Amino acid sequence: RKEVEQDPGPFNVPEGATVAFNCTYSNSASQSFFWYRQDCRKEPKLLMSVYSSGNEDGRFTAQLNRASQYISLLIRDSKLSDSATYLCVVKRRGATNKLIFGTGTLLAVQP
Amino acid sequence: GAVVSQHPSWVICKSGTSVKIECRSLDFQATTMFWYRQFPKQSLMLMATSNEGSKATYEQGVEKDKFLINHASLTLSTLTVTSAHPEDSSFYICSATGEGGLETQYFGPGTRLLVL
Repeated sequence: RKEVEQDPGPFNVPEGATVAFNCTYSNSASQSFFWYRQDCRKEPKLLMSVYSSGNEDGRFTAQLNRASQYISLLIRDSKLSDSATYLCVVKRRGATNKLIFGTGTLLAVQP
Repeated sequence: GAVVSQHPSWVICKSGTSVKIECRSLDFQATTMFWYRQFPKQSLMLMATSNEGSKATYEQGVEKDKFLINHASLTLSTLTVTSAHPEDSSFYICSATGEGGLETQYFGPGTRLLVL
């Protein structure tokens, strides 16, 4: 079983739609959680950190449920420019700062 | 700020040759650099963690004699793929963290390697 699991998609949605991605992680020692965005043939870029209290950044809302080991990302009012692969990432507890990446969920926003 | 560059951005080489990839932190001192590999439609897989002035720590299954990592300064780490084979063709990405306990990893733009 992979340490970070995501539905690979693709999620094909029309512009303006609301779309939600889910992610589960298996290591209960995971300490920090992130969503990254990766465009085709590019490096991943940090979208937002994820906290248990939930956090919002414009049209993006992230949520963490430690008890269920579940992370979510909600995108409202989808734009064409949101089309990308969204990577769920966890960091293990410890000094190494090591990130564990999910395989990503592909989002394609259609005009 | 916090820019990481990689060179080259892409490289094509013959099987059996060695390829060196550079990762530089342009505006901060990178105490730790990470090297990842990503095959098509797969996640980024950490290959090794390197701290300036010390030997790299390799992940399980990554051959340290094949993937040589040098982190000789606080702004430069290099990954050398020795005796490259077609199965080494991949997207290699580095990232770096700075001093002061900064958690954020800043990623380089990646190097696409194709071994013929």
